Amino acid sequence: NAGVTQTPKFRVLKTGQSMTLLCAQDMNHEYMYWYRQDPGMGLRLIHYSVGEGTTAKGEVPDGYNVSRLKKQNFLLGLESAAPSQTSVYFCASTVPGQAQEQYFGPGTRLTVT
Amino acid sequence: AQSVTQLDSHVSVSEGTPVLLRCNYSSSYSPSLFWYVQHPNKGLQLLLKYTSAATLVKGINGFEAEFKKSETSFHLTKPSAHMSDAAEYFCVLFEGGYQKVTFGTGTKLQVIP
Repeated sequence: NAGVTQTPKFRVLKTGQSMTLLCAQDMNHEYMYWYRQDPGMGLRLIHYSVGEGTTAKGEVPDGYNVSRLKKQNFLLGLESAAPSQTSVYFCASTVPGQAQEQYFGPGTRLTVT
Repeated sequence: AQSVTQLDSHVSVSEGTPVLLRCNYSSSYSPSLFWYVQHPNKGLQLLLKYTSAATLVKGINGFEAEFKKSETSFHLTKPSAHMSDAAEYFCVLFEGGYQKVTFGTGTKLQVIP
């Protein structure tokens, strides 16, 4: 089991460019999440998905879009990158139910210049 | 509204001395609480979780936490710090299902030889 993997690990974008971050999990988890981590702010939820074909907004969704076409994959898109989106992005997955452990990927460090 | 407050952004201890990382929460319902650890340039790993069973929860690597409803606290402790404990620790509150996830802002633990 690879667990949760993220690609790419690092990326530098110029303002206005677009990109897609890929999250993949091989644990057959229903729920998947995208977070961003910024210094002194903990992790903030961007979008999440409770199953294939469904997505929902989290705490900070503006400027991002997501898709869950396959159960194992959760894509995060930036259509027009801004410097404020410089951050470390983490994907996580879990099974339905309260108090279930979230399994995190290793993160993607994105810099927008 | 639910919230999590980690009372110290940085904690420094000497190797072999006790560790105390403080977390207070606010929740309208019976919460589930977690502690995660993040080593430099890594994803988050679950240390322990409270799910309304025993109030004293034991986790990995000798860590434990006590849920105190009267004090709305879930402090993380370890009797003797090890150099490998140097990392950032996050207190996390789950309430009402998958979409109500709140991360604390994190506490960086430094262990001095």
